[in-house]
Order: sequence, then C-alpha cells, then structure tokens
Amino acid sequence: KQEVTQIPAALSVPEGENLVLNCSFTDSAIYNLQWFRQDPGKGLTSLLLIQSSQREQTSGRLNASLDKSSGRSTLYIAASQPGDSATYLCAVRRDRDDKIIFGKGTRLHILP
Amino acid sequence: GAVVSQHPSRVICKSGTSVKIECRSLDFQATTMFWYRQFPKQSLMLMATSNEGSKATYEQGVEKDKFLINHASLTLSTLTVTSAHPEDSSFYICSARQGGHEQYFGPGTRLTVT
Repeated sequence: KQEVTQIPAALSVPEGENLVLNCSFTDSAIYNLQWFRQDPGKGLTSLLLIQSSQREQTSGRLNASLDKSSGRSTLYIAASQPGDSATYLCAVRRDRDDKIIFGKGTRLHILP
Repeated sequence: GAVVSQHPSRVICKSGTSVKIECRSLDFQATTMFWYRQFPKQSLMLMATSNEGSKATYEQGVEKDKFLINHASLTLSTLTVTSAHPEDSSFYICSARQGGHEQYFGPGTRLTVT
C-alpha cells in the first residue's frame, strides 16, 4: 500500500529565505508525482507535476525534483514571500488509471 | 488548465436531513471523478471513485449507503450525504479526470451539520 509522508509538518521561515519541503513515498512504482498548494478553506492549486520519467520540473520560483528509486521528492521555493504561506501537499499516482494518494502536507508560514 | 466547479460552496443543514453536492467538469469530459473529504488541518482522504455510467467504488470504511454518488454524465457527478449528522461536517472536494490525463480539483464544499 502506497504511503506518502511529508516532512516537516509545519515550517516558519523569514521572508526572502530559500526553503525545501520534503516528500517520501513507500512504493517507487509511480506514474507521476504532483505538488499542490492549499490556502485555508480553499481547494487545491496544482503547482508542479512530474511524470515518472522526469527528474524535475520548474515554474517560476518553484522547483520540484523526483528521485523514484529512493522514493523521494523535494519542492524548492526560492526567495520566499509572505504570499507563499499555505499548506503544500505532495501526491502520487500509481498508474495511469489509478487514484492519487496525498501526504498530510506541510503548513508553511513566511514571516514578513 | 481544465476547470472543475462545485456547488454549493457552503451548506448548512440540520441533523437528519440529506444534502447534495454537485461536481462539474466545465471544459472537458470527465470519464472518472473522485470525491475526497478533508477534516481541519488534515490531508485529503479519498472517499470514492466513480466512472461515468458505473457504480462508484468506495474506499474502505466509507459507508456507501450514507454517501451516495452518482456519475450519470461525463460532466456531472453528485455526492449526497444522507441522514447527515454533526460528525459529517467536513470539507468535501471533488476532482475529475479524462482518461489517464491530469486530475483537476474543484474548489470544495464546506458542509456544516447542526
């Protein structure tokens, strides 16, 4: 059974710092991995999707990496801003027709 | 990206009544739709998966007679919470996918049972 773990559960950093959020998964046979952002009381915003054949994806100040063999992914946020404060969720999909399994998320707070 | 809508965004109902939540894919045909539940400060827990025209597949521990899911068309799925109780109060999020493509999420519905 696939399990997704995110560390840390919560993180507070001063504005301007670079930071890394971690995600690990127990079954390395995945179809893709996706990072989402969720603001309080809101739905999910997809940030980056990495296919199993890819090693990383970048969008603006965000960079996500994937190491399937070790069952790990990281989300790197450069030059953090107060607007980045949110919960970040990592999710994996086992195969093309399968469901997405979510981690518990990292609650990020950027201090002005 | 593709858009998934949910209606209503918030609903308050009395204990013992039933409430229906709609999930629509606005610009694509959703062959598969998913319903998730999220408690405060918790992650999303998958409740059920539905394929258009078929019965939903429920996750272990989810009561299928309490959470009725209908996926009658390629753009609409509904979740009906029957005989709602305060412990059913939660944030319900649907998502939709066309074939093996990316899964898109709705904005969620906040259900409060009084």
